[in-house]
Amino acid sequence: AQSVTQPDARVTVSEGASLQLRCKYSYSGTPYLFWYVQYPRQGLQLLLKYYSGDPVVQGVNGFEAEFIKSNSSFHLRKASVHWSDSAVYFCAVSGRAGGNNKLTFGQGTVLSVIP
Amino acid sequence: EAAVTQSPRNKVAVTGGKVTLSCNQTNNHNNMYWYRQDTGHGLRLIHYSYGAGSTEKGDIPDGYKASRPSQENFSLILELATPSQTSVYFCASGESGGENTLYFGAGTRLSVL
Repeated sequence: AQSVTQPDARVTVSEGASLQLRCKYSYSGTPYLFWYVQYPRQGLQLLLKYYSGDPVVQGVNGFEAEFIKSNSSFHLRKASVHWSDSAVYFCAVSGRAGGNNKLTFGQGTVLSVIP
Repeated sequence: EAAVTQSPRNKVAVTGGKVTLSCNQTNNHNNMYWYRQDTGHGLRLIHYSYGAGSTEKGDIPDGYKASRPSQENFSLILELATPSQTSVYFCASGESGGENTLYFGAGTRLSVL
């Protein structure tokens, strides 16, 4: 069975600082990997996704993530955070076979950006 | 732009009552999903559907039923609501085949008293 672990329930960083949110997945084979963001009282929005090719993928608003298969990780990074990045971030994994596969989400990381 | 609309946005129900959460999508996606979100658990899949007339059990289906009467609509039904079903529920749609990107509604906040 596939699973996702986000070991940090909460992360606090200062505005302008760099950011890394950790994600470890469990899946036999090469999965599809996603990062979603949830702003207060809203649904989830796709931030970025990895399907194949370059293991470093770029997303919206300066976010990027790196797929490291040997480590089963897909950490999210940003060079300089803004207060508006405060939100909940979810990492997710799905299989590839047939394309009709369920997404499994991690527990989420609450990011607080302080001035 | 693609849209997933949930109704109601907020609901208060009594224990033992019947609750229906509705979801409508204009994406023309075959696949639709119901998740619940709870602190410490992230999003957990309740039911999903591959198209009109089909429903499948997700990871936590107990106490829930689903109905997919059309491509656009997917409902989640709590026949006998319990306080443990107090949560935020999200509906999502996605294409069949392809790369599994999901599009989410804004959520329904359900309180069962």
